[in-house]
Amino acid sequence: DAGVIQSPRHEVTEMGQEVTLRCKPISGHDYLFWYRQTMMRGLELLIYFNNNVPIDDSGMPEDRFSAKMPNASFSTLKIQPSEPRDSAVYFCASSSSQGDTEAFFGQGTRLTVV
Amino acid sequence: AQSVTQPDIHITVSEGASLELRCNYSYGATPYLFWYVQSPGQGLQLLLKYFSGDTLVQGIKGFEAEFKRSQSSFNLRKPSVHWSDAAEYFCAVGRGGYNKLIFGAGTRLAVHP
Repeated sequence: DAGVIQSPRHEVTEMGQEVTLRCKPISGHDYLFWYRQTMMRGLELLIYFNNNVPIDDSGMPEDRFSAKMPNASFSTLKIQPSEPRDSAVYFCASSSSQGDTEAFFGQGTRLTVV
Repeated sequence: AQSVTQPDIHITVSEGASLELRCNYSYGATPYLFWYVQSPGQGLQLLLKYFSGDTLVQGIKGFEAEFKRSQSSFNLRKPSVHWSDAAEYFCAVGRGGYNKLIFGAGTRLAVHP
């Protein structure tokens, strides 16, 4: 398996624009997580899904943020409208509930909002 | 509240020296513990994990960690550091199965030649 795949790797956008980050989890994994990494707050969980259903979105900072998982192999994190304080690295991770496994992380998307 | 504390923000060691990175956690149940490493511009790679059993766990790249329940600690060690070990190291705690992780703030390791 190629691992967790995120796209794009880098995104630069203007304030007010819509941004969509994409994630393809590892095949067979039934959990998917979106994390955000910033200097100020470190790594924080935004939302996670089980079997494509959102389980906990308490980490989503504002209504400007939304996440979907239309099927087991694809998820999106959307920010609309974007603001400069949304600039961060966004990581997607996936894991399996079968056995004792860990979360596997993608390479991340570095988002810059100017 | 569940939390992870990594007391050292930055650590600098000489190549070949031993290394210990500290991690303390607060968790209401038996924790699942992890150490991840992040190289600049990269994602997080798992070094090792503790779920149960032997409290001394071996990981990749020559790293090991010891779970001490009485001290709520899960310190990472390496007997001889290589220049390629320079990176940021994150300790994390989670539950089994779905692995919702709580991360520490990270320790940035610099290695001098």
